Amino acid sequence: EVQLVESGGGSVQPGGSLRLSCAVSGFTFSGYWMHWARQAPGKGLVWVSRIKTDGSNTTYAESVKGRFTISRDNAKDTLYLQMNSLRAEDTAVYYCVRDDYLSYWGQGVLVTVSS
Amino acid sequence: QSALTQPASVSGSPGQSITISCTGTSSDVGTYNLVSWYQQHPGKAPKLMVYEVTKRPSGVSNRFSGSKSGNTASLTISGLQAEDEADYYCCSYAGSGTWVFGGGTKLTVL
Repeated sequence: EVQLVESGGGSVQPGGSLRLSCAVSGFTFSGYWMHWARQAPGKGLVWVSRIKTDGSNTTYAESVKGRFTISRDNAKDTLYLQMNSLRAEDTAVYYCVRDDYLSYWGQGVLVTVSS
Repeated sequence: QSALTQPASVSGSPGQSITISCTGTSSDVGTYNLVSWYQQHPGKAPKLMVYEVTKRPSGVSNRFSGSKSGNTASLTISGLQAEDEADYYCCSYAGSGTWVFGGGTKLTVL
């Protein structure tokens, strides 16, 4: 069974940092590109970032470019999202998503940016 | 990276058919046959319902179908059922390794 489990969320002040993790199981992690997406409370889905199978290629939404960094550890079957210079508008549930049409989603982890 | 345009809400009675539109541009929906649709129930993660415009993943009811014309993609749900009540999102590849979602449509089954 494919499983994606996010962790690392929580509350942080504006300007702060958080690192999200996504532990996967049930498929060969190293064989898939992976994404992060987010959803602000009561709002729609927003694509955030994508990373190639070996980590050599990454892309970002303009809203997070230069502040967020996606990475992966294929030996640990884990995806990461380092979030720096956080803003109130980054408050959202963050989802880890497997590529191939964004087919499998984790349950999400809440990040709250507030003073 | 502007969001794709979806109607905020649609509704229909059980057994009826409804269609949700998703309008993009020639930089995303109009160029790539990489449009997908997701169903999201409250408090749950999104679920893939249609990919590559018209294809259904294994296990998804054939009551769900997708299409595209020009810069607009559509999701049609036939034989509406109470459990179809949810939020629906379209998504398209937008080039240069980026994706864009629609704003979402709330489906109400009357």
